[in-house]
Order: sequence, then C-alpha cells, then structure tokens
Amino acid sequence: KAGVTQTPRYLIKTRGQQVTLSCSPISGHRSVSWYQQTPGQGLQFLFEYFSETQRNKGNFPGRFSGRQFSNSRSEMNVSTLELGDSALYLCASSADRASGNTIYFGEGSWLTVV
Amino acid sequence: AQRVTQPEKLLSVFKGAPVELKCNYSYSGSPELFWYVQYSRQRLQLLLRHISRESIKGFTADLNKGETSFHLKKPFAQEEDSAMYYCALRPQGGADGLTFGKGTHLIIQP
Repeated sequence: KAGVTQTPRYLIKTRGQQVTLSCSPISGHRSVSWYQQTPGQGLQFLFEYFSETQRNKGNFPGRFSGRQFSNSRSEMNVSTLELGDSALYLCASSADRASGNTIYFGEGSWLTVV
Repeated sequence: AQRVTQPEKLLSVFKGAPVELKCNYSYSGSPELFWYVQYSRQRLQLLLRHISRESIKGFTADLNKGETSFHLKKPFAQEEDSAMYYCALRPQGGADGLTFGKGTHLIIQP
C-alpha cells in the first residue's frame, strides 16, 4: 500500500508569509503527527491528530497549527514565517495511538524561509 | 519531560567489527523505546522497538530500566548499515509524540 505522502516536497517562502503543508496518511491510519527537523534542534514533535482532534502538542508557538480532515488527511500551517522556521517538516501516521502500532514517516517537506 | 541522549554524533567502524550505538533516556513513567534509521536519500523508518524484543537486520536492543538505556548492537557490521540512527521515546500508551535523540551517524568502512 502507498506510504505517507507529503506535498509539496520543496518550497521557498519569504519572511512574514504563511505556508500550508499537506499530508496523506497510509490508508486506514487515523493518527497523524508532525515533526520539525533542523540541524540544530534535531527532530521535534509538533502535534498529533487523531480522528480530527488534536491530541497532543509539542512546545512550539501558536504560529504553528494544524488540522485533520474526516478522511484522515492532515495539513499544518505556519503563519508569519521566520528565518528559523526553515526546516524539514515530517508527517507520520499510525493506525492509532496504542502501544505496538508502528509509526510510518513521509519523506518530508523542505521549507526554506528567505 | 522526557529526554533522549545519543552521546555519539558520529561512529565509524570497520566492516565485520561489532557496533554499539548508545542511547540513554530520562522519563519518570513507563516508556516505549524505539530505534529509527534513515539511509541516504530515504525516509525515516522504524528499525526496532523494545516491546517486540526482535532482531532486525542483525540489530538488537535491550531496554535497561536500571541504567535507563536502550543501546543498539550488532555483532558484525556491514557496509549497508551506514546510515543515521535515531533513538526515540514515547510514553507507554502513546499519550504523546515521539521524543528523539539527536542521532548518530554510523559509517562502516570497508
């Protein structure tokens, strides 16, 4: 079956703009989570959605938001972009949140803020 | 809050030599521990998790609650093992996202 799909794969934005990234989870998966990866901070958890509800949120400012649709597809939005938001944004999906469920990652969306 | 530490940024060993990638964690509750691997130009993928107690591609990892460690081991390294390895933790029950270590870049020299 198809893996986790993220679009767009690469994008360049200007400081102050906003960006929306999209994620299609593996068919049947209801949990979608987002991570930010940077050289300095590594992989950091942004938030997790399950059945359209945000269940957990990492330590990021309110400029970072997300949502999940009824088909489990998810989007994340970053408003008022800053240079430090340049990163690889990874989406991951799993069947649910229970122990033993494997979390599968997408290839990521590379965001450059100039 | 939970924390995962991978003390080695880079580890270089020769083919056929044993490999040990270190991972230490701090978490007050019951954790689930994972090792993820990222080969060059590929996505992050699960290598193994402590609850399965399995061996994948010759790698094993044992959760040591007393030492709060989850080191990854392989007795004989192969060139195709060269990759970035990330140790990760989440609270048992999945009530939070994964907390990752900074990763160890493993290079297997021929």
